[in-house]
Amino acid sequence: EVQLVESGGGLVKPGSSLKLSCVASGFTFSTYGMHWIRQAPKKGLEWIALIYSDNTNKYYADSVKGRFTISRDNSKNTLYLEMNSLRSEDTAMYYCAKGRYNPDYWGQGVMVTVSS
Amino acid sequence: DVVMTQTPVSLSLAIGQPASISCKSSQSLVHSDGKTYLSWILQRPGQSPKRLIYLLSKLDSGVPDRFSGSGSETEFTLKISRVEADDLGVYYCWQTTHFPNTFGAGTKLELK
Repeated sequence: EVQLVESGGGLVKPGSSLKLSCVASGFTFSTYGMHWIRQAPKKGLEWIALIYSDNTNKYYADSVKGRFTISRDNSKNTLYLEMNSLRSEDTAMYYCAKGRYNPDYWGQGVMVTVSS
Repeated sequence: DVVMTQTPVSLSLAIGQPASISCKSSQSLVHSDGKTYLSWILQRPGQSPKRLIYLLSKLDSGVPDRFSGSGSETEFTLKISRVEADDLGVYYCWQTTHFPNTFGAGTKLELK
């Protein structure tokens, strides 16, 4: 059974940093591209980043480019999202999703709240 | 960026009625490999999103055949032949052909 479990969220102040993790199981993690998607409270879904299976390519939404970094450790079946210079508008539920072109499974999400 | 225009914003339907959701992209979603990377996602209340349809029209395992996806190039449709109580939630279209990948704004399906 495919499982994606996000962690690392919490309440932080504007300007601070946070690193999210997404631990994968039930499939061969190293062969799949992985996405991060977020959802602000009572808003729609926003794609924010993708990393290829072999770490060669990374893509970002303009809203996070230069502040967020997606990475992965295939030996640990783990996807990461390092978030710097956090702003109030980054407050959202953050989801990881499996699959580069045809993402199929999503995690349950982890909440990040940026507030003073 | 590819803009995904999804309509209607909301639908209020009785059980057994058909539903239709439209998604229009600002440019063709046909990839250089010939495939159209358009999927439909359902987010039930309080749950994480779940994929229903991928590659325009392929149903995920376990998704009832009351659901169907169609379209081409820039116009896409999700249809539910007969709405059931389990179908309520917010439906999103998602294109993964172009970067940045983009979602439609969502269509909220409510039961009348």
